[in-house]
Amino acid sequence: QSALTQEASVSGTVGQKVTLSCTGNSDNVGSYDVGWYQQISHGAPKTVIFGNSLPSGIPDRFSGSKSGTTASLTISGLQPEDEADYYCSAWDYSLNVVVFGGGTKLSVL
Amino acid sequence: QVQLQESGPGLVKPSQTLSLTCTVSGGSLSSGSHYWSWIRRPAGKGLEWIGRIYRSGETIYNPSLKSRVTISGDTSKNQFSLKLSFVTAADTADYYCARDAMIRGVTPVYYVDAWGKGTTVTVSS
Repeated sequence: QSALTQEASVSGTVGQKVTLSCTGNSDNVGSYDVGWYQQISHGAPKTVIFGNSLPSGIPDRFSGSKSGTTASLTISGLQPEDEADYYCSAWDYSLNVVVFGGGTKLSVL
Repeated sequence: QVQLQESGPGLVKPSQTLSLTCTVSGGSLSSGSHYWSWIRRPAGKGLEWIGRIYRSGETIYNPSLKSRVTISGDTSKNQFSLKLSFVTAADTADYYCARDAMIRGVTPVYYVDAWGKGTTVTVSS
């Protein structure tokens, strides 16, 4: 059981806006912004968001936000190449470790 | 731009020790701005943080693996390593080395800013 809770699966059509969520508690998501990672098939993960910032090279259709102990990743204008597993992570100051969500499988219909 | 590359055996026998090395280029293990981590994705499961090392040699491990894990660094070779002892089939996974960053502020963020390509380790006799 993962420390952070994510939807198991989300789907959307090309051009649609989708939002993935990541729920933790006051020791992790409530105190730290999260990182979001995209993993396509069994390739290496790629960082797509940290906090509400985009790493260099990531399309601006990706955005991040947070409210309380729930962080969100929004993809505006979904593209076929966005189909992947998405993970969130945060530092947990109580456990003194990095915690991950269980991942969301995003399907582009 | 920093690059990380994992290396090590792809097959380990049960009860033995898994050993992997991460070679860092384009960045320095001695950097005070980053941490160096190991993360894995077991077959059919999600990402799992194994632990990290800081330039000083300070380490932090996932409590679920702590009794079996050792992460060490060699700044002269710009490499850091993972050892996981007494492995079982449950340790079969893709293993990734990574560079972490912490941005401090009103709401700090801790995240991975660079990933290795990963290496598959199978535990089997």
